[in-house]
Amino acid sequence: AQSVTQLDSQVPVFEEAPVELRCNYSSSVSVYLFWYVQYPNQGLQLLLKYLSGSTLVKGINGFEAEFNKSQTSFHLRKPSVHISDTAEYFCAVSEPGGTSYGKLTFGQGTILTVHP
Amino acid sequence: GAVVSQHPSWVICKSGTSVKIECRSLDFQATTMFWYRQFPKQSLMLMATSNEGSKATYEQGVEKDKFLINHASLTLSTLTVTSAHPEDSSFYICSAPPDYGYTFGSGTRLTVV
Repeated sequence: AQSVTQLDSQVPVFEEAPVELRCNYSSSVSVYLFWYVQYPNQGLQLLLKYLSGSTLVKGINGFEAEFNKSQTSFHLRKPSVHISDTAEYFCAVSEPGGTSYGKLTFGQGTILTVHP
Repeated sequence: GAVVSQHPSWVICKSGTSVKIECRSLDFQATTMFWYRQFPKQSLMLMATSNEGSKATYEQGVEKDKFLINHASLTLSTLTVTSAHPEDSSFYICSAPPDYGYTFGSGTRLTVV
């Protein structure tokens, strides 16, 4: 079974400051990792994903994440946030094959609030 | 990238009635789609996988008779909440299979009064 833990339920930050949203996962098999953003009353937008290859993954809107297998982490970072980045962010994990292929297990979410 | 269209965006229904939510793939064809539910201020939980040409696969604890999932064609998957009750009020959202980028629909906010 897989699980995802997002270590911070809320992260307040000032505009133009850097931010890191933390995500740890647990799995007995190799995994695919994802970060999604959800704006109020909207669906989920994929920010980035790690399937294989380089452990540093660059996504949309200036976000990036680094897969650290030894620490089972996949933290999301942005060097300078904007007011428009205020949203809820979800980390998710999936298996690369088998009967659970395509099924996502989500973390609890982190609400990022960017203050002017 | 793959586009998933979900309708309606929001719906209010009376307790005891049924509500159908549609999830369409606009630029791809898929034999499976995934349905998730998100309670207020909570994370998303997988409910079931719809399968074209066969029965849906439900996750443990999801009532099959209450949440009817059908994959009518390669571009349409539907979720019907039958005999809805206030505790079914939630955000329901579908997603495309991995071959189409793990893309999500825009979601449906269901409120049962």
